[in-house]
Amino acid sequence: DQQVKQNSPSLSVQEGRISILNCDYTNSMFDYFLWYKKYPAEGPTFLISISSIKDKNEDGRFTVFLNKSAKHLSLHIVPSQPGDSAVYFCAASVGTNAGKSTFGDGTTLTVKP
Amino acid sequence: NAGVTQTPKFRVLKTGQSMTLLCAQDMNHEYMYWYRQDPGMGLRLIHYSVGEGTTAKGEVPDGYNVSRLKKQNFLLGLESAAPSQTSVYFCASSLGVGGVGADTQYFGPGTRLTVL
Repeated sequence: DQQVKQNSPSLSVQEGRISILNCDYTNSMFDYFLWYKKYPAEGPTFLISISSIKDKNEDGRFTVFLNKSAKHLSLHIVPSQPGDSAVYFCAASVGTNAGKSTFGDGTTLTVKP
Repeated sequence: NAGVTQTPKFRVLKTGQSMTLLCAQDMNHEYMYWYRQDPGMGLRLIHYSVGEGTTAKGEVPDGYNVSRLKKQNFLLGLESAAPSQTSVYFCASSLGVGGVGADTQYFGPGTRLTVL
């Protein structure tokens, strides 16, 4: 049973518009969530995180929203840039021990110039 | 700082051969991890370590062994490689203890392994 799901394998948006990447989870014990970004032939890099005590965290063009009742989080990128084209992974963990992070399958974002 | 490095970058094995993947980090991180990523799938945790001399099983540990004899190194071993172990392997590390940012994982560039 997949505990972290990214139901959209791919997303294509126009440069300058908003990109919204979604993630759903089933384990109600998850209380810490992270987004990672991955370019081809590279390892993932940390993008932004959110604790369950918050419902929003913002870092520049990136904002993560958490809806605990719906067990849903989303990553908003505004405005989208061609350099944002990458695979985005959602990850969730119980407590702050990231060793137990569970990753979604990723969403490939393509930002068209 | 080099961050997290992995050796080798590519490897082709025949079924039944053994090999060891080396991960090194120079950030004095406590926690280290080994993941595999298969096409169209996310990262699946193989084994991890919360400190020198300790290891623990992750989601998909079968067929792999690990050792963390030094804090900066985390080795992943395949004793008898199988075609099902063809994958891209990522090592990661995190501070593990402390305040903000302790949970953020820093990944290496990956090792592409093909088992024929």
